[in-house]
Amino acid sequence: QVTLKESGPGILQPSQTLSLTCSFSGFSLSTYGMCVGWIRQSSGKGLEWLANIWWNDDKYYNPSLKNRLTISKDTSNNQAFLKITNMDTADTATYYCARSDRTGFDYWGQGVMVTVSS
Amino acid sequence: DIQMTQSPASLSASLGETVTIECRASEDIYNGLAWYQQKPGKSPQLLIYNANSLHTGVPSRFSGSGSGTQYSLKINSLQSEDVASYFCQQYYDYPTFGGGTKLELK
Repeated sequence: QVTLKESGPGILQPSQTLSLTCSFSGFSLSTYGMCVGWIRQSSGKGLEWLANIWWNDDKYYNPSLKNRLTISKDTSNNQAFLKITNMDTADTATYYCARSDRTGFDYWGQGVMVTVSS
Repeated sequence: DIQMTQSPASLSASLGETVTIECRASEDIYNGLAWYQQKPGKSPQLLIYNANSLHTGVPSRFSGSGSGTQYSLKINSLQSEDVASYFCQQYYDYPTFGGGTKLELK
């Protein structure tokens, strides 16, 4: 059974760095073709892909946010991470991690709500 | 980047009706397309991948079709549990999503 769960600070101030953790089970990020991605969704809005990390440690970022994003993984502990620097109120959203095997995101976490406010 | 234009933005349909949602890519995505269902307060769930392949456990009343830049999701015999928002997503290039379609019961 594949499960993913996001964790994060909940609330932070503008200009701070957001650190998110995705803890997963039921698959390994060392398996050929496997990927974990991060996607966010502002309240009542659409979905925005942020970054992917692959089994071979290849990393891909949304070009519009690339300078602010860092994705990484800890394969032995079944975790993936995302850091976003210089957070702004516009980054307030629900952040999801999801698994992909190159054909869409087939399993998603429940999401973690992140609010940026002074 | 590849833009995904989804239509309609909202849709009202009756139980038992057939519903179609369209997605148009700004360039050919060679069937690299997925459809998701999202219910209020829940995370998106994969319905269709590779434009026309049904994800495990998804009811057969859902189907996907299309090629090139034009794709569609069809729901046959609409059920009450199908009330949700639907999103398309291309993965031919770095992933981008359509704006979503909110499906309600008439």
